[in-house]
Amino acid sequence: NAGVMQNPRHLVRRRGQEARLRCSPMKGHSHVYWYRQLPEEGLKFMVYLQKENIIDESGMPKERFSAEFPKEGPSILRIQQVVRGDSAAYFCASSPTRDITYNSPLHFGNGTRLTVT
Amino acid sequence: GENVEQHPSTLSVQEGDSAVIKCTYSDSASNYFPWYKQELGKRPQLIIDIRSNVGEKKDQRIAVTLNKTAKHFSLHITETQPEDSAVYFCAASGGGGSQGNLIFGKGTKLSVKP
Repeated sequence: NAGVMQNPRHLVRRRGQEARLRCSPMKGHSHVYWYRQLPEEGLKFMVYLQKENIIDESGMPKERFSAEFPKEGPSILRIQQVVRGDSAAYFCASSPTRDITYNSPLHFGNGTRLTVT
Repeated sequence: GENVEQHPSTLSVQEGDSAVIKCTYSDSASNYFPWYKQELGKRPQLIIDIRSNVGEKKDQRIAVTLNKTAKHFSLHITETQPEDSAVYFCAASGGGGSQGNLIFGKGTKLSVKP
C-alpha cells in the first residue's frame, strides 16, 4: 500500500498565478481531507471530500480556494491568484470511512510546500 | 465547534527523563483522541490514539490518558531519547460539530537533549 500520495512536493508560484495541489488517497479510502500548516503552527482543517462531493468546507477561505475529488483521479486543491500569505505546507489525509475513529484513523501524505514569491 | 488547546508549546528534557504534553477539548461529544508526531519537514504520523470509553492506553514508552469529565487528555513519554525530538500534535474528533474531521492542537515542540 503506497500510502497517501501528494504532488508536487514543492511548488513555487509568483503572486497572481494559480497553484494546483494533487492528492491520491490510500487504496480503498474514499474520504479525503485537506489541512494547511503555516510555519511553526498547527494543522488547520480546510475541507473534507468524498468522491464527487464536498462534505465540509468550513475551513476553506471563501475566495480563491476550491477543492474537488472527481470520480476518477486524484483530489485537487486549487488556489487562484496566489498571494504571499498562501505560502504554507498543505497536507492531504485519507480515511476509509466518514467517521475518523480508532478503527479508521487518518493517514497523512508528505505534503506540498507552496512558496509564493 | 470543537476547540483543542495544547500545552506546553515547547518542552525541553534531558535524555532519559519523562515528557508530558496536555490537551483540553471543548466538545463533550468528541470520542476519539489521536496523537501525531511530526519530524522537521515530514508528514504527521499517528503514534497512539485513544477512544472515549478507555481511560488509559500504553504502547512501549508512550502512554495516553483521558479524563472525559474534565475533557482533557495527556501524552506521556518515558525514558526519552534524542529521536523523540519532534513536534507532537493532539487532536479530537467525533463531536457533533466536527463530525468527520480532526481538530488539532497547535503542537508541542519537544527537544530531548543527550
